Amino acid sequence: DTAVSQTPKYLVTQMGNDKSIKCEQNLGHDTMYWYKQDSKKFLKIMFSYNNKELIINETVPNRFSPKSPDKAHLNLHINSLELGDSAVYFCASVGVSGNTIYFGEGSWLTVV
Amino acid sequence: GESVGLHLPTLSVQEGDNSIINCAYSNSASDYFIWYKQESGKGPQFIIDIRSNMDKRQGQRVTVLLNKTVKHLSLQIAATQPGDSAVYFCAENIIGFGNEKLTFGTGTRLTIIP
Repeated sequence: DTAVSQTPKYLVTQMGNDKSIKCEQNLGHDTMYWYKQDSKKFLKIMFSYNNKELIINETVPNRFSPKSPDKAHLNLHINSLELGDSAVYFCASVGVSGNTIYFGEGSWLTVV
Repeated sequence: GESVGLHLPTLSVQEGDNSIINCAYSNSASDYFIWYKQESGKGPQFIIDIRSNMDKRQGQRVTVLLNKTVKHLSLQIAATQPGDSAVYFCAENIIGFGNEKLTFGTGTRLTIIP
């Protein structure tokens, strides 16, 4: 069973389009995240949700809108995609008592 | 083989040799440190962690060393195997802040030469 799963794994789309990436975790964790990894492998947090509530929003353009329908799901919707949005987006989660973050396999977004 | 962390993002080591990956962290208030391994096409995977009240912690074939005086962290991998080829990230955090203060380093690519 995959602990943190995200779809799609690969996404190629044109500039200006709107797209969504979905994430689900079956670990019973309360906190979920979206991270962005650029071409130089630098990992940076974008959003953090705890039990469906937004905790962290790290100066991400408002074209990015996370949505958490329940604590096991955190989706990422991106409007008006730009070339600079091309990256790998990782969903992650962590339990109440732990500091260890569990990452999904990543979603490779390419904007052309 | 040994890296000098952020200034040497790649490291090649002969299979069977030991490797050392170094990391300089930035926040003197950080008290929790983690090493992650990211294989090609996959997400980062937890390897080992250490709290600031320790200076050494060992796992299976891996050892993390912490030097708070110079804000330096290292990951030693013994008897390297081809499966150890990956990008390794150190991360620093402050306990009690959830993961708001979790910051990743830029990573070091380790290549094991058969």
